[in-house]
Amino acid sequence: DAMVIQNPRYQVTQFGKPVTLSCSQTLNHNVMYWYQQKSSQAPKLLFHYYDKDFNNEADTPDNFQSRRPNTSFCFLDIRSPGLGDAAMYLCATSRDTTGPISTETQYFGPGTRLLVL
Amino acid sequence: SQQGEEDPQALSIQEGENATMNCSYKTSINNLQWYRQNSGRGLVHLILIRSNEREKHSGRLRVTLDTSKKSSSLLITASRAADTASYFCATSNSGYSTLTFGKGTMLLVSP
Repeated sequence: DAMVIQNPRYQVTQFGKPVTLSCSQTLNHNVMYWYQQKSSQAPKLLFHYYDKDFNNEADTPDNFQSRRPNTSFCFLDIRSPGLGDAAMYLCATSRDTTGPISTETQYFGPGTRLLVL
Repeated sequence: SQQGEEDPQALSIQEGENATMNCSYKTSINNLQWYRQNSGRGLVHLILIRSNEREKHSGRLRVTLDTSKKSSSLLITASRAADTASYFCATSNSGYSTLTFGKGTMLLVSP
């Protein structure tokens, strides 16, 4: 089945130690998103790729970076994780239909829960 | 600022009852979507309603949209224990746009 896969499901890192979360998709969607979701809060968009074009949200800290080497894969790099970065990180994809029609629905992966010690 | 705000924050009902959740937003939208999230999992899309639509149905789900009041409601009829989850509304502005999620309503359906 076509899907969005996130690895690992749980990630433990140390304060200040770089960590990379990965996302892959078999949907062949052209847009990929990374969200941060803290406990009992709404998902907060960090950035997204529209094809190869990277779009950073204005309030996303510089500590968060992303890479999309090809259509199927997208990575979230946290350069120096702090205690406040402990959260669920959600990857999502969508297929943009261009023109006046807005983004289609988003398909989410199961998330990676990050713990910072 | 947050685009969508759900109401209530939490809702507890018995199986078989109907559950109604409301969402308000602040700026003009192209469409409004509802997503469900089971505990510790990703979000699952439920239904999308466009700004020129007023009501939409999908199985036991009924969504309404009132653009004059900038509000939407999600009705789940004949609820089941498996409906226990958090429900989020998300709005999309005109043209290609990212989604802005509300804070969500946590629904608990007891057997």
